Amino acid sequence: KAGVTQTPRYLIKTRGQQVTLSCSPISGHRSVSWYQQTPGQGLQFLFEYFSETQRNKGNFPGRFSGRQFSNSRSEMNVSTLELGDSALYLCASSLGTSNYEQYFGPGTRLTVT
Amino acid sequence: EDKVVQSPLSLVVHEGDTVTLNCSYEVTNFRSLLWYKQEKKAPTFLFMLTSSGIEKKSGRLSSILDKKELFSILNITATQTGDSAIYLCAFEPRDSSNSGKLIFGQGTTLQVKP
Repeated sequence: KAGVTQTPRYLIKTRGQQVTLSCSPISGHRSVSWYQQTPGQGLQFLFEYFSETQRNKGNFPGRFSGRQFSNSRSEMNVSTLELGDSALYLCASSLGTSNYEQYFGPGTRLTVT
Repeated sequence: EDKVVQSPLSLVVHEGDTVTLNCSYEVTNFRSLLWYKQEKKAPTFLFMLTSSGIEKKSGRLSSILDKKELFSILNITATQTGDSAIYLCAFEPRDSSNSGKLIFGQGTTLQVKP
């Protein structure tokens, strides 16, 4: 079975721009969770989508948003980028019902200059 | 506030040594505890623990959960240089409003020297 894939793998953006990251879950998984990883804060939960609905959201500003499509692929968007948004963005997929083991993708390394 | 604390934060050992990594948690409503290994990229799933006192094993790695004392340990025996990584502990809250959310500890950085 193919694992979780994320695109792009690396991204360099300028302050004020916006960015869209994509995540394709493991086949059959309906839940996609997004995390931000930085050296100072570690791994922090952004939001989770299940069957095209956002079920849960972490403590991030409204500039961070996401969506999920009918094939379970998910995108996250960050608008008005700030230097502090530089991080590794990871998505994880799981079945989302009764078995919540999450499997992570390789991540997108975002650098904001 | 729910939180996870891992110790030690970093550890240097030599090949062949046995290491024990600790994870303690303070949570109001607990579903499961998970261990991940992170090298240069994505965290790789190791174990999920839901029941107290039942050891999970995979090769040289094993883990156990103590729900009464609110901690878990990850043991690695006969360490190899390939075990060098950050080991992350995370718990999953039980209530439905926290679905899909894992709360991670700071991680333990393990370096295994030849």
